[in-house]
Amino acid sequence: SQKIEQNSEALNIQEGKTATLTCNYTNYSPAYLQWYRQDPGRGPVFLLLIRENEKEKRKERLKVTFDTTLKQSLFHITASQPADSATYLCALDPRGGGADGLTFGKGTHLIIQP
Amino acid sequence: NAGVTQTPKFQVLKTGQSMTLQCAQDMNHEYMSWYRQDPGMGLRLIHYSVGAGITDQGEVPNGYNVSRSTTEDFPLRLLSAAPSQTSVYFCASRATTNEKLFFGSGTQLSVL
Repeated sequence: SQKIEQNSEALNIQEGKTATLTCNYTNYSPAYLQWYRQDPGRGPVFLLLIRENEKEKRKERLKVTFDTTLKQSLFHITASQPADSATYLCALDPRGGGADGLTFGKGTHLIIQP
Repeated sequence: NAGVTQTPKFQVLKTGQSMTLQCAQDMNHEYMSWYRQDPGMGLRLIHYSVGAGITDQGEVPNGYNVSRSTTEDFPLRLLSAAPSQTSVYFCASRATTNEKLFFGSGTQLSVL
């Protein structure tokens, strides 16, 4: 069956360090992968999208990699700050551009400690 | 632009009651969807629509109905509420496939 796996346990990182979150998937052939941030009591907010022919994407302190051979995406936050504390979700389009919506991982709760 | 607006923010129902969760977007997006979010389960797709008059089922459609009479609105109806439908519901929209989703702020529903 299709599966998206993210670190189920909270990730504690010291302020200023790089936080790295992992998204692994099985039985998908996604055309692209997305990352969202979700704060308590709020809806997810889009961060980055990376396509299957892109190895890496950057936006300010954020970097995403996409390895379709390993079936894995890594999400990095450099120079992390307490304000980066949130739950981060990865999402796949299950059929590569299909209309039936994104499939989300369960999310990783990131805590940046001062 | 208000983006995606959901109402109500909170709702408590008794088992067997029906209600409609409202969702409206002002971005002229063709694609709209409803997700539910439960602890330990992540976001799961309930129903989606690729345009006015077109709807289809997602991963967990049982107990829910949708319709899309206009581009802007995509209401979600609970026909006969059950405790298993206690959840946080999110509406989302995007311009087309391969694009990012815009989410509403959510509706927290409790069914007693």
